[in-house]
Amino acid sequence: QKEVEQDPGPLSVPEGAIVSLNCTYSNSAFQYFMWYRQYSRKGPELLMYTYSSGNKEDGRFTAQVDKSSKYISLFIRDSQPSDSATYLCAMNRGSQGNLIFGKGTKLSVKP
Amino acid sequence: DTEVTQTPKHLVMGMTNKKSLKCEQHMGHRAMYWYKQKAKKPPELMFVYSYEKLSINESVPSRFSPECPNSSLLNLHLHALQPEDSALYLCASSQDPGGTSALAAQYFGPGTRLLVL
Repeated sequence: QKEVEQDPGPLSVPEGAIVSLNCTYSNSAFQYFMWYRQYSRKGPELLMYTYSSGNKEDGRFTAQVDKSSKYISLFIRDSQPSDSATYLCAMNRGSQGNLIFGKGTKLSVKP
Repeated sequence: DTEVTQTPKHLVMGMTNKKSLKCEQHMGHRAMYWYKQKAKKPPELMFVYSYEKLSINESVPSRFSPECPNSSLLNLHLHALQPEDSALYLCASSQDPGGTSALAAQYFGPGTRLLVL
C-alpha cells in the first residue's frame, strides 16, 4: 500500500460546479497536510495548509482533514476555468519536513 | 511575500557539460529543498538543507552536487548528466525545517526545465 493515494483523474467539470478532490494515507504519523495547485510547466503553488481534523476555509477553497479515517479533501466552490490545473496533496514525514506527495489530480473546468 | 526564485528558467546541456542551477529566497526560511519532477509525476525529494547544512540526501547520484552558500541561496551543480535526468528541477523553502511545526509549509519556486542531450 502506498503511503499516499490520490486518484489521478482526469476530472472534468462545468464552470460553477463544486469540485471535490481527495487523498487517503496510511501513515498515522503524518501531522501536517498541504494542497498544492500546479499549472502546466510551472512550480507547485501552496493553496492550503492544515493540521487538525476539521475544516479550514480560504475564499472558494475548503480543506478538510479526517485523521480517524486518514482522509483529506479539498473542495473548490464556484469553480472557474482558471482553476484548471493539477492538484497535489502532500503531507510531512519525519522530523525534517520531508513531503510525501500524492500523484496529483488533473482538473479541467469547462466554460 | 512567499517568493522563491530560480534561474535559469530553461537549460539545455550536453552530457559532458557542467552547469549550475540557482535558487534564492528572502523570506528568512531556514530550510531549503531540491526536488526533481518528471512529466505527469509528483515532485521527488533530492536534498534538504537545514540551517545551511545538508541534512538529507535521498540517494541522489553524485553527478548532482548541492551547495548552500548562505541561508538565502541554494545551488545545484550538474556534471556528466544523462538524458534521463531531463526534468523540471524545483527548489522549495520552509520557515521551520522540522516536520512537526505549523511553520513547515514548503513554498516552491517556478522551477528550471532541464534538457540533457
